[in-house]
Amino acid sequence: ILNVEQSPQSLHVQEGDSTNFTCSFPSSNFYALHWYRWETAKSPEALFVMTLNGDEKKKGRISATLNTKEGYSYLYIKGSQPEDSATYLCASTILGTYKYIFGTGTRLKVLA
Amino acid sequence: DGGITQSPKYLFRKEGQNVTLSCEQNLNHDAMYWYRQDPGQGLRLIYYSQIVNDFQKGDIAEGYSVSREKKESFPLTVTSAQKNPTAFYLCASSPTSGASYEQYFGPGTRLTVT
Repeated sequence: ILNVEQSPQSLHVQEGDSTNFTCSFPSSNFYALHWYRWETAKSPEALFVMTLNGDEKKKGRISATLNTKEGYSYLYIKGSQPEDSATYLCASTILGTYKYIFGTGTRLKVLA
Repeated sequence: DGGITQSPKYLFRKEGQNVTLSCEQNLNHDAMYWYRQDPGQGLRLIYYSQIVNDFQKGDIAEGYSVSREKKESFPLTVTSAQKNPTAFYLCASSPTSGASYEQYFGPGTRLTVT
């Protein structure tokens, strides 16, 4: 089984702080990298999907980058708000399969 | 509203009983998936199905069974052979064409077996 690693495991930041998380994934046979936000008692919600080396995606205050050669992706949150508190999951898709390999997630708590 | 429904949200069973978790989608997706989450671990794939009447074992299929008789439905049975069935179970679906095969998730079922 190929592993996807996320760090840190959990994070507390103050409202207004900017923060970032890391997702490391196997770079061989890479197809796509997915970021999800998972709020308590809700379904995981897709944030971004990236396929090309150097991809950058942005949605409001949240952005993500992708490096497929070295096998990592960063998720950035600018000016964190309490409503950003959630678990952020990343998942890698391998070429030729629909299967996702998930990381364990980063649990973010934004303190007001 | 298009989406994925799982029922029930919470399920309690006695050890030794089989239990079936429901998953329905109206997104017209061909592929459906079952995941399990345990504390401190990522989502682990139990079974997946890319088309009606076909399904494949995931990484932790032992003690589970599925069926895919209809495109919309992918029920998961947790059998008495599953040694540690207490967990949170998530169902997902995705298209099998397009650039990314993005998966859409249901709200999950928390199963407790005592």
